[in-house]
Amino acid sequence: KQEVTQIPAALSVPEGENLVLNCSFTDSAIYNLQWFRQDPGKGLTSLLLIQSSQREQTSGRLNASLDKSSGRSTLYIAASQPGDSATYLCAVDGTGNQFYFGTGTSLTVIP
Amino acid sequence: ETGVTQSPTHLIKTRGQQVTLRCSSQSGHNTVSWYQQALGQGPQFIFQYYREEENGRGNFPPRFSGLQFPNYSSELNVNALELDDSALYLCASSLEQRNTEAFFGQGTRLTVV
Repeated sequence: KQEVTQIPAALSVPEGENLVLNCSFTDSAIYNLQWFRQDPGKGLTSLLLIQSSQREQTSGRLNASLDKSSGRSTLYIAASQPGDSATYLCAVDGTGNQFYFGTGTSLTVIP
Repeated sequence: ETGVTQSPTHLIKTRGQQVTLRCSSQSGHNTVSWYQQALGQGPQFIFQYYREEENGRGNFPPRFSGLQFPNYSSELNVNALELDDSALYLCASSLEQRNTEAFFGQGTRLTVV
């Protein structure tokens, strides 16, 4: 069964810092990996989708990489802002027509 | 903001009751998936509907059931509610059953007392 782990569970940084969130998964047979943002009590907002054949995707200040063979993905956030404060979830599209989610990284950006 | 809408946004039910949650998928999307998210946890897959047929199911008991309509909107029904069913229920729509970007609604917060 696919297991997805996100490290760290929580992160607090001063505004302006660059930061990296980590995601690892146990089964490399994936179709794609998607990063989401979740504000407290809200739904999920899609940030980036990386197909299994791709190595990275970029959107604005966000860059996500994928190393399928080692079962790892990173989300890089440049020049963090207080509005980036949220929980970031990594999800792997694997077998069984479902996403497997990690438990997320809770990010706080301090003004 | 995605085109996926869920109703209601909040709901309080008593243990043993039944509940129906609704989801309108994004225009053109034929696949709807439902997830349960307990506090502090990642979402857990309940089931997926593709073109009105159940197309995959997670580790949830049969009292969790669903339906997808010809317009691809969907319902999640939960019978005999238990206290542990209290969670945020999320609906996701996608263009196809796999390997396409998923768009989530804002969720329904269910509290069972």
